[in-house]
Amino acid sequence: NAGVTQTPKFQVLKTGQSMTLQCAQDMNHNSMYWYRQDPGMGLRLIYYSASEGTTDKGEVPNGYNVSRLNKREFSLRLESAAPSQTSVYFCASSDRGDGYTFGSGTRLTVV
Amino acid sequence: GEDVEQSLFLSVREGDSSVINCTYTDSSSTYLYWYKQEPGAGLQLLTYIFSNMDMKQDQRLTVLLNKKDKHLSLRIADTQTGDSAIYFCAEPPPNAGNMLTFGGGTRLMVKP
Repeated sequence: NAGVTQTPKFQVLKTGQSMTLQCAQDMNHNSMYWYRQDPGMGLRLIYYSASEGTTDKGEVPNGYNVSRLNKREFSLRLESAAPSQTSVYFCASSDRGDGYTFGSGTRLTVV
Repeated sequence: GEDVEQSLFLSVREGDSSVINCTYTDSSSTYLYWYKQEPGAGLQLLTYIFSNMDMKQDQRLTVLLNKKDKHLSLRIADTQTGDSAIYFCAEPPPNAGNMLTFGGGTRLMVKP
C-alpha cells in the first residue's frame, strides 16, 4: 500500500525555470492538498482539491498552479520559479474525517 | 496567523514524560489529531480523539481534551530519543469538508 507518492524528492531550479511536482494517491480519497513548509512557518496551504474536477486557492497560492488530473493525481506547477519558492513541498490526501495522509515531500531549491 | 496554537519548542530528558499542548478554535470539531514529523520526512498520523471523549490512551501516548477551554494535550510517557520530532495538532475548520487546520508544530528534543 503506497499511500501518497510524490516525485521528485529533490530538485534544484534556476530562477525563471518551470517545473511540475507530481502527486498520486492510491487510497481512493476525494480530497487532495499541496502545502509548503518553511522553517518557523509551519505548514501553509497552497492549493487544494476537495473532489475530482475542483480546485481552490489556499493561503499562499501566488506563483503556483494546480491540476487535478483525475481522482488519483494532483500536480503543482511553478511557471517561473523564484528563490522565495525554495521550500519543502508536501502533498496530502484525505476523506471522511480520517485525517490526512502525507507524502514524503519534495525539497526544492531555487537559485 | 494560525488559529491552532502550539508552543514552539520542548526539551526533556530521556525517560521523563513530555507534554505537548495545543489550543484550537472550533468547539464543533468532531475529531482532533496529532501528527508526528521526523527529520527529513513527511507528517504521519500519530493519534486522534473524538470530541465526545476526554481522554484517549494508546501505549505511551495519552491525549487529553478539555472542550470547555478548547485545549488539547499529548503526553508521551518514558520519552525516548526516537520521540525527537516535530508534533502538530490539527482540527477540521467549520464547513470545510475534509480539510484540516494545523498548528505551527512543537519541536520536541529528547536529551540522553
